Amino acid sequence: EDQVTQSPEALRLQEGESSSLNCSYTVSGLRGLFWYRQDPGKGPEFLFTLYSAGEEKEKERLKATLTKKESFLHITAPKPEDSATYLCAVAGGTSYGKLTFGQGTILTVHP
Amino acid sequence: KAGVTQTPRYLIKTRGQQVTLSCSPISGHRSVSWYQQTPGQGLQFLFEYFSETQRNKGNFPGRFSGRQFSNSRSEMNVSTLELGDSALYLCASSPRTSGRDEQFFGPGTRLTVL
Repeated sequence: EDQVTQSPEALRLQEGESSSLNCSYTVSGLRGLFWYRQDPGKGPEFLFTLYSAGEEKEKERLKATLTKKESFLHITAPKPEDSATYLCAVAGGTSYGKLTFGQGTILTVHP
Repeated sequence: KAGVTQTPRYLIKTRGQQVTLSCSPISGHRSVSWYQQTPGQGLQFLFEYFSETQRNKGNFPGRFSGRQFSNSRSEMNVSTLELGDSALYLCASSPRTSGRDEQFFGPGTRLTVL
């Protein structure tokens, strides 16, 4: 069974203080690892897909990387508007249409 | 392109009732997946429909069912509601083309069971 563990559960940063979120996973036949952002009361917003170890994707202040066992979401010089819950998910094997999610990291950026 | 839409956005029901939730996917997307999100369990997969057929199912009781129409719109039904069914129900659509598994989520339906 696919499993995803995210750490830390919560992270408080000062504006401009860079940091990383971790996503560890076990999956049989990784088809993709996904990062989402979720604001309170809203659905998850798609950020990145990573397909193979060594792959990196960037978007504004966010950069996602992937190894064979984990993924990192690096946040450079965050702003208060980056505050949200960040979710990691995997799609594996022949289980099409199903994403297995971690519990998320709640990020708070103080001005 | 318009995003995924879900109706209604909020719903209050009592135990024992049944409920139907609706989801319209992004135009051109043929796959629709449903998830239940609760504070304790996080996001859990319910089922996926592709071309009007259920292709995958999560570990939920048979009270949870769904269907997909020829225009890819999908409905989810929960019968004999229980207090524990209170949750945010999310629908996601995907192009499901080769090499593209990313899913795009709607705003969700907040179901409260009293």
